[in-house]
Amino acid sequence: QSALTQPASVSGSPGQSITISCTGTSSDVGSYNLVSWYQQHPGKAPKLMIYEVIKRPSGVSNRFSGSKSGNTASLTISGLQAEDEADYYCCSYAGSSTLVFGGGTKLTVL
Amino acid sequence: QLQLQESGPGLVKPSETLSLTCTVSAGSVSRSSYYWGWIRQPPGKGLEWIGSIYYRGSTHYNPSLKSRVTISVDTSKNQFSLKLSSVTAADTAVYYCARHVGRITMTVVVSWYFDLWGRGTLVTVSS
Repeated sequence: QSALTQPASVSGSPGQSITISCTGTSSDVGSYNLVSWYQQHPGKAPKLMIYEVIKRPSGVSNRFSGSKSGNTASLTISGLQAEDEADYYCCSYAGSSTLVFGGGTKLTVL
Repeated sequence: QLQLQESGPGLVKPSETLSLTCTVSAGSVSRSSYYWGWIRQPPGKGLEWIGSIYYRGSTHYNPSLKSRVTISVDTSKNQFSLKLSSVTAADTAVYYCARHVGRITMTVVVSWYFDLWGRGTLVTVSS
């Protein structure tokens, strides 16, 4: 069970859109529509932003959206705002009632 | 709004057992479709799932930690707990407890994610 692969960092200017990728295998991301995404500000607990690939919890801005193609899931943030600057983690069901996280991506809003 | 709070020693000696408790307030651990999980984050690093438990006692563990981990639940106290044995410096991390949404239909997992998290507690392994 290896960690999902995410870019270490991404950046964008206010108002722009960015996409964070999350690459797994046919044993996790590719086999299940059970990818979730978490936002973590420094010193804070993670916050659920997307679940089941495309669903948004109540209270999460519709600027956040998720998708999946094959073994790669993606998180897109449109209309970037300063408050979006944070670390983002993907997570996938990996079979046999287990979970695996990605290594995390640091988003910088320029 | 349901809340989770981790508690336990902030310092553990190498080779000893790390023990943490998560207290759930404004909600019950005994609700169906919810598991209760532990996740850790070493300083400056990413998240690692440790394991999860259902209120009836069924557990699921990260294979890489399974030999050292025990998660239990006490429904009378509305708490669940983590024990990690034979700790080393590599186990130094912020430990989070979280509500784990887990829905299974006809043996197929249809939901599997963490929707609420505690604030986390730092546990340092050092002599």
